[in-house]
Amino acid sequence: ETGVTQSPTHLIKTRGQQVTLRCSSQSGHNTVSWYQQALGQGPQFIFQYYREEENGRGNFPPRFSGLQFPNYSSELNVNALELDDSALYLCATTGPGANVLTFGAGSRLTVL
Amino acid sequence: AQSVTQPDIHITVSEGASLELRCNYSYGATPYLFWYVQSPGQGLQLLLKYFSGDTLVQGIKGFEAEFKRSQSSFNLRKPSVHWSDAAEYFCAVVPQTGANNLFFGTGTRLTVIP
Repeated sequence: ETGVTQSPTHLIKTRGQQVTLRCSSQSGHNTVSWYQQALGQGPQFIFQYYREEENGRGNFPPRFSGLQFPNYSSELNVNALELDDSALYLCATTGPGANVLTFGAGSRLTVL
Repeated sequence: AQSVTQPDIHITVSEGASLELRCNYSYGATPYLFWYVQSPGQGLQLLLKYFSGDTLVQGIKGFEAEFKRSQSSFNLRKPSVHWSDAAEYFCAVVPQTGANNLFFGTGTRLTVIP
């Protein structure tokens, strides 16, 4: 039990659709990061939120967007899905003053 | 270019044998260094980390890693591998440039044979 819960665990979408992935974390974990892990690759940083504001972004297009809520939950939204968006999406959180990320088990997205 | 390199894509060891997984980084200043493990269908679990100080770092599950500045390496070791260690291992860094995100290597898949 890592304290970071992601949903759904698996989902299938078709090209052009939109998807929302969710993440909930422990109370006090006010920093959340999202990573994309393609098959056979290491995770790549999408963006980070701190106190409900985006606080850093990787090399991903604007159709990848996020939200963070006061209850320490967050969302990753992807619009206009492409086949290459098929991946495991990982949420990771950290608490104040901490410098180690705690990862969830991920949401596996398949785009057909 | 800045990068994290794990040169071994797949390693197979016998149970009880020793293990060393290689990691090299290319950053101007020594970054913060991490090793994570990922079992099938699971997220990433932190094995150990290095920020500063003693260059030999002890982690969970009997793993250790040694930071060598001259070689820009942070290799992961375990004296005696157990079948349950079979997993994917990722080296990761946080550059000391004000960035606050992890950069991962491509991973090394470990197979343990009886």
